[in-house]
Amino acid sequence: GAVVSQHPSRVICKSGTSVKIECRSLDFQATTMFWYRQFPKKSLMLMATSNEGSKATYEQGVEKDKFLINHASLTLSTLTVTSAHPEDSSFYICSARDLPYGYTFGSGTRLTVV
Amino acid sequence: DQQVKQNSPSLSVQEGRISILNCDYTNSMFDYFLWYKKYPAEGPTFLISISSIKDKNEDGRFTVFLNKSAKHLSLHIVPSQPGDSAVYFCAAPGNTGKLIFGQGTTLQVKP
Repeated sequence: GAVVSQHPSRVICKSGTSVKIECRSLDFQATTMFWYRQFPKKSLMLMATSNEGSKATYEQGVEKDKFLINHASLTLSTLTVTSAHPEDSSFYICSARDLPYGYTFGSGTRLTVV
Repeated sequence: DQQVKQNSPSLSVQEGRISILNCDYTNSMFDYFLWYKKYPAEGPTFLISISSIKDKNEDGRFTVFLNKSAKHLSLHIVPSQPGDSAVYFCAAPGNTGKLIFGQGTTLQVKP
């Protein structure tokens, strides 16, 4: 089946630095990828839709300049958390769409900003 | 506007019994629904789906029922096993292709 690889699984960074999270579709081409954030004991919050070769579409309330998304190829989307602050600490998950209704998720990245 | 709702935040079931997780939706244009299982600190894994042209889909211990008139679907797990303990999300693709998730239900299966 479809596999999505997300890296790193855990990252700790200092406040003010930037962190990049990668999401790769391993055995299929994904023109569309999604980035989610999960707060403790909460549902998955969609942050943005990443489209290959074009600008990402951000959900309302998500800061575009803080959460930079790049989808430069059909198998790779990256999320960069810029000038990270402790409140950015969260669990970030990517998802790739491989069929009309096929959504495969990465294993998630635990970001801790200290 | 919460288009997909899971009104029960948690459910506790004895091993071997049936687990029933419920989901309601408000958008009658939804034509496909998916259930995902999620463990802490992991991404969701796909469980089962159902198209709106069906009212039931079964895969092993998992069965999803769809009642379009009531805009309601349910996931039945039988028999429940301790390894089924996780958070279960129902979801539906919106018209832009993005998945719209419910709030999730935490299932605990007790040995």
